[in-house]
Amino acid sequence: NAGVTQTPKFQVLKTGQSMTLQCAQDMNHNSMYWYRQDPGMGLRLIYYSASEGTTDKGEVPNGYNVSRLNKREFSLRLESAAPSQTSVYFCASSEIQERRETQYFGPGTRLLVL
Amino acid sequence: AQSVAQPEDQVNVAEGNPLTVKCTYSVSGNPYLFWYVQYPNRGLQFLLKYITGDNLVKGSYGFEAEFNKSQTSFHLKKPSALVSDSALYFCAVRDSIYSSASKIIFGSGTRLSIRP
Repeated sequence: NAGVTQTPKFQVLKTGQSMTLQCAQDMNHNSMYWYRQDPGMGLRLIYYSASEGTTDKGEVPNGYNVSRLNKREFSLRLESAAPSQTSVYFCASSEIQERRETQYFGPGTRLLVL
Repeated sequence: AQSVAQPEDQVNVAEGNPLTVKCTYSVSGNPYLFWYVQYPNRGLQFLLKYITGDNLVKGSYGFEAEFNKSQTSFHLKKPSALVSDSALYFCAVRDSIYSSASKIIFGSGTRLSIRP
């Protein structure tokens, strides 16, 4: 299993440009998440998806949209990038069965908005 | 709404000494608590979790965490620190372990630095 994969690993955008961060997991997990990590701010939840076809806002959803395309894939879109969106973005997936949880994180996407 | 706080931005410990990384939480129901570690230029790795049962939870790399309901704390501990333990540590809380619709909230992180 590849686990959680993210593309691209690194991206530079100009203010106003758009892009989509891709995330996929091959563990048949129901729940998937997008976080951003900023110095001194820790991890903040942007959006999450409890199952295929559902998405919910997290702590910092403004400026982002998500799509849960199928059970495997959960993409994060920046329609008009801003310098404040310069960050490292992590995708994660998890499964809860009989009170046992396993959570896995992708390697991260480093985004620089100029 | 649930929240988690890590009061220390940085913890410095000499190698071989015991270490503690603090975490306090706030949830409306039963807490489901986690610790993750992030090594430089790498993603997060799961360390340990508390769902129910014994208050002392043992995890990876010799770490353990003590759940204290009265103090609403879940401090991470290790009896003898290694230089290789130097990393960024995150505490996290989930509001329901029974529902895949619940979400995980992370603390701001504590940078652990172990000096030789």
